[in-house]
Amino acid sequence: EAQVTQNPRYLITVTGKKLTVTCSQNMNHEYMSWYRQDPGLGLRQIYYSMNVEVTDKGDVPEGYKVSRKEKRNFPLILESPSPNQTSLYFCASRPIEGQPLSPLHFGNGTRLTVT
Amino acid sequence: GDSVTQMEGPVTLSEEAFLTINCTYTATGYPSLFWYVQYPGEGLQLLLKATKADDKGSNKGFEATYRKETTSFHLEKGSVQVSDSAVYFCALTYEGYNFNKFYFGSGTKLNVKP
Repeated sequence: EAQVTQNPRYLITVTGKKLTVTCSQNMNHEYMSWYRQDPGLGLRQIYYSMNVEVTDKGDVPEGYKVSRKEKRNFPLILESPSPNQTSLYFCASRPIEGQPLSPLHFGNGTRLTVT
Repeated sequence: GDSVTQMEGPVTLSEEAFLTINCTYTATGYPSLFWYVQYPGEGLQLLLKATKADDKGSNKGFEATYRKETTSFHLEKGSVQVSDSAVYFCALTYEGYNFNKFYFGSGTKLNVKP
């Protein structure tokens, strides 16, 4: 089954304790992206990647890091989480080559709480 | 810059009522427009899309027409069901160089009562 898999689904942590949210897709998509969803603000892009070893900032990158060492994986790293990073996070992917305007495929989300 | 504006929710309807969720956009170019749906506890799923002016996207009884003159892409359904209860997001993106950006609206929550 074609899917985007995020882990964990729920995470509660304390301020300053480094954490990683994993994202993996099995569709061989070139493009991957991270979003955060907050009430009244919709989805805001954190980082995106056009392919292996190619990443760039989205609209709200502060406090986050990403890496793209393999095509299927795109982890989101919070080196020193703070309470304002409490949010619902989504990973998404889409093909680029030969498929213009293809839609994003989303994972089921990770609800992060930082106390 | 580019942006998407959706009507505030929540929208509460009785089963079989007519649904309209308004979406307007501001674009620097000629975007494609999308509606995504998010069911409780799940990620967003594509509902329908339209790639150029006057195109009509449709799926599962939902429809939306790309209106360039009014910069709108309103979502409609003639008869909603309880199972349509979800959050609906309007979004735009571009073909070509700027395709890496999706601009999402803030989402509109729909509650359908039996």
